[in-house]
Amino acid sequence: ELKVEQNPLFLSMQEGKNYTIYCNYSTTSDRLYWYRQDPGKSLESLFVLLSNGAVKQEGRLMASLDTKARLSTLHITAAVHDLSATYFCAVTGTASKLTFGTGTRLQVTL
Amino acid sequence: KAGVTQTPRYLIKTRGQQVTLSCSPISGHRSVSWYQQTPGQGLQFLFEYFSETQRNKGNFPGRFSGRQFSNSRSEMNVSTLELGDSALYLCASSLVAGTEKLFFGSGTQLSVL
Repeated sequence: ELKVEQNPLFLSMQEGKNYTIYCNYSTTSDRLYWYRQDPGKSLESLFVLLSNGAVKQEGRLMASLDTKARLSTLHITAAVHDLSATYFCAVTGTASKLTFGTGTRLQVTL
Repeated sequence: KAGVTQTPRYLIKTRGQQVTLSCSPISGHRSVSWYQQTPGQGLQFLFEYFSETQRNKGNFPGRFSGRQFSNSRSEMNVSTLELGDSALYLCASSLVAGTEKLFFGSGTQLSVL
């Protein structure tokens, strides 16, 4: 059974600081997703990573994928308050079913 | 282009009742998936439909069922509701099954009293 673990579960960081969220998964997968969710809202797609070594960047967020280590990272550069949200990674297992991580609740303080 | 539309947005039911949730995918999208989100279990896959056929099903009891219509709209039904069914139910659509990007709706918040 595919398992996806994220850490940390909760992250409080000051504006301007850098930090990384980690996503480990247990079995081979052909794609990995990162989503953002604001309280009471739906999931917003951030990145789709398809191959080993893939790196994608959007603004202050950068995601990377190491399929050999079964590890993806979401790096936050110079955090701003607007980035406060819960971030999920998700991995495709059988067919196109997504298995989600537990989520990382990010709080950026002034 | 309209996004994924889920109705209703909020729903309150009592134990033992049944409920039907609706999802209209983005125009042209033929694949619809359903997910349940709870604080305790997180996001869990319910099922996926493509061209009116269920392609995949998660580990949920038979009280949870769904269907997809010829216009790609989908409904999910939960019968004999239990307190533990209280959750945010999210629908996602994509062009075809297994494609790169899923687009999620705003969800239906179901409360079972």
